[in-house]
Amino acid sequence: AQSVTQLGSHVSVSEGALVLLRCNYSSSVPPYLFWYVQYPNQGLQLLLKYTSAATLVKGINGFEAEFKKSETSFHLTKPSAHMSDAAEYFCAVSDGTGGYNKLIFGAGTRLAVHP
Amino acid sequence: NAGVTQTPKFRVLKTGQSMTLLCAQDMNHEYMYWYRQDPGMGLRLIHYSVGEGTTAKGEVPDGYNVSRLKKQNFLLGLESAAPSQTSVYFCASSQLAKNIQYFGAGTRLSVL
Repeated sequence: AQSVTQLGSHVSVSEGALVLLRCNYSSSVPPYLFWYVQYPNQGLQLLLKYTSAATLVKGINGFEAEFKKSETSFHLTKPSAHMSDAAEYFCAVSDGTGGYNKLIFGAGTRLAVHP
Repeated sequence: NAGVTQTPKFRVLKTGQSMTLLCAQDMNHEYMYWYRQDPGMGLRLIHYSVGEGTTAKGEVPDGYNVSRLKKQNFLLGLESAAPSQTSVYFCASSQLAKNIQYFGAGTRLSVL
């Protein structure tokens, strides 16, 4: 069975500092991996996705994630945090099968950015 | 671009009451989903639909029913609300080939 573990339910960084949000997955088949962002009182928006084309995936708003098969990880990074990055971030995995795009979500990491 | 629209945005129910949440998408997507979001648990799939007239159970279907009479609409019903159904409900839609789900803004439901 697939699963996703996000390490750290809360992460706090200073504005301008590196953002690192951790995600580890388990999957019996090559996975599709996603990062979604949820701003307060809004739905989820896709940040980026990995579908085996390239191990380093660039997304919107300066975020990127690297797929590391040997570590079963898909950590999200941004070189310099901005106040507007404060949100909750969800990692999700799909095996691309099942006929309905089944997504398994992690519990989420809430990112706080302080001046 | 409307995308995925959920109504209502907020609702308070008393235990035992019923209600229907509406999800509408204007992207001509085949697949639609209902999730619930609870603190520390991420999103969990309640029911989904792979096309008009078809529905199936997800991870946590008990206490909910759904219908997809029109391709663009996906309804989630609570027949007899319970406090355990207090949650934020999200609808999403997707095309299989792209494997990306697009989400609505959510419905915050409180059951007293």
